[in-house]
Amino acid sequence: EAQVTQNPRYLITVTGKKLTVTCSQNMNHEYMSWYRQDPGLGLRQIYYSMNVEVTDKGDVPEGYKVSRKEKRNFPLILESPSPNQTSLYFCASSSSAGGSDTQYFGPGTRLTVL
Amino acid sequence: KQEVTQIPAALSVPEGENLVLNCSFTDSAIYNLQWFRQDPGKGLTSLLLIQSSQREQTSGRLNASLDKSSGRSTLYIAASQPGDSATYLCASHAYSGAGSYQLTFGKGTKLSVIP
Repeated sequence: EAQVTQNPRYLITVTGKKLTVTCSQNMNHEYMSWYRQDPGLGLRQIYYSMNVEVTDKGDVPEGYKVSRKEKRNFPLILESPSPNQTSLYFCASSSSAGGSDTQYFGPGTRLTVL
Repeated sequence: KQEVTQIPAALSVPEGENLVLNCSFTDSAIYNLQWFRQDPGKGLTSLLLIQSSQREQTSGRLNASLDKSSGRSTLYIAASQPGDSATYLCASHAYSGAGSYQLTFGKGTKLSVIP
């Protein structure tokens, strides 16, 4: 089944404790992206990647890191999480390298930073 | 910077009614427009994608239209069912430079279909 998977689905952590949210797609897609969704603000892009070893900032990259060492994986790293990073996070992928085609979303990761 | 607006924020209709969800965007230089459905606690499911050169797309009871010149898109749902209850999001794809396209989302319309 073609899908985007994220782990963990739910995470409660404390300020400053490094964490990684994994994202994997099995569709051989070129483009992958991370979004966060907050009430009243909607979905905003954090980082995106057009191919292996090619990543770039979205609208809200501060406090986040990403890497793309393999085509199928695009982990999101919070090196020193803060409470304002409490949010619902989505990973997405698209077959076109620029991300212009239909985007497929993962199930989301609900992160709470205390 | 592209802004996408969806009105109303919430809509409640009786089962069987036809309905229209509205989406407007400020920059008409879009590459395409995509409609998504989001169920509570779930991810986004793509419903329809309309290329900038197209006027509409249909899938089952759903029909999405695009008018680039006026900066508007509509999602028409025919014969609504309780299972259609969800939040519907529209998002515009626009070229953001260096070969990439950015997806800008509206805040969604929460639809409730009452049995």
